[in-house]
Amino acid sequence: AQSVAQPEDQVNVAEGNPLTVKCTYSVSGNPYLFWYVQYPNRGLQFLLKYITGDNLVKGSYGFEAEFNKSQTSFHLKKPSALVSDSALYFCAVRDSARNQGGKLIFGQGTELSVKP
Amino acid sequence: DAGVIQSPRHEVTEMGQEVTLRCKPISGHDYLFWYRQTMMRGLELLIYFNNNVPIDDSGMPEDRFSAKMPNASFSTLKIQPSEPRDSAVYFCASSSSLTGGLETQYFGPGTRLLVL
Repeated sequence: AQSVAQPEDQVNVAEGNPLTVKCTYSVSGNPYLFWYVQYPNRGLQFLLKYITGDNLVKGSYGFEAEFNKSQTSFHLKKPSALVSDSALYFCAVRDSARNQGGKLIFGQGTELSVKP
Repeated sequence: DAGVIQSPRHEVTEMGQEVTLRCKPISGHDYLFWYRQTMMRGLELLIYFNNNVPIDDSGMPEDRFSAKMPNASFSTLKIQPSEPRDSAVYFCASSSSLTGGLETQYFGPGTRLLVL
């Protein structure tokens, strides 16, 4: 079965410090991995995705994520956090081995709070 | 493009009433998704369509929920009769299998539903 886990409900970071939001996954085939962000009272916005190729993926707003196959992880990172990065972050996965169209499995979300 | 459009943005109704949520996907997108978001259950996929055809409705909670997509530019999610436990934010999202990848979903602003 496919699944994705975000082990932290909340991450607190001081502005200017690096941030990491964790995600681990489980699929039977090769994973397609995604990060989405949700600002208050808004829909989710696509940040970045990993399909194949370089394990380090760069996305919007200075975010990047590193695919680690041995650890089945896809952690989201940013070298220097901004207060405006405060939001809810979702990791999502799709199993490339299964024909499920565009269906994604989303994690429960991690609330990122960046304090000045 | 105006993005995914949802209406109404807010809906307050009484238990037992019929509720209809509406969605206009991004023009040219061939996939449409309906999600429900609550604090307790997180983000749940209810149903998705490809080229106006329902592909997977396994997430529809019960027979009180129904969704239609009569054409490429319009979809509805109907709850009849509504119950207080249906209170949630309902999101519509669309994606294109031709541009950006069908897993890159564009979300609407959501409809916040409160059933009293």
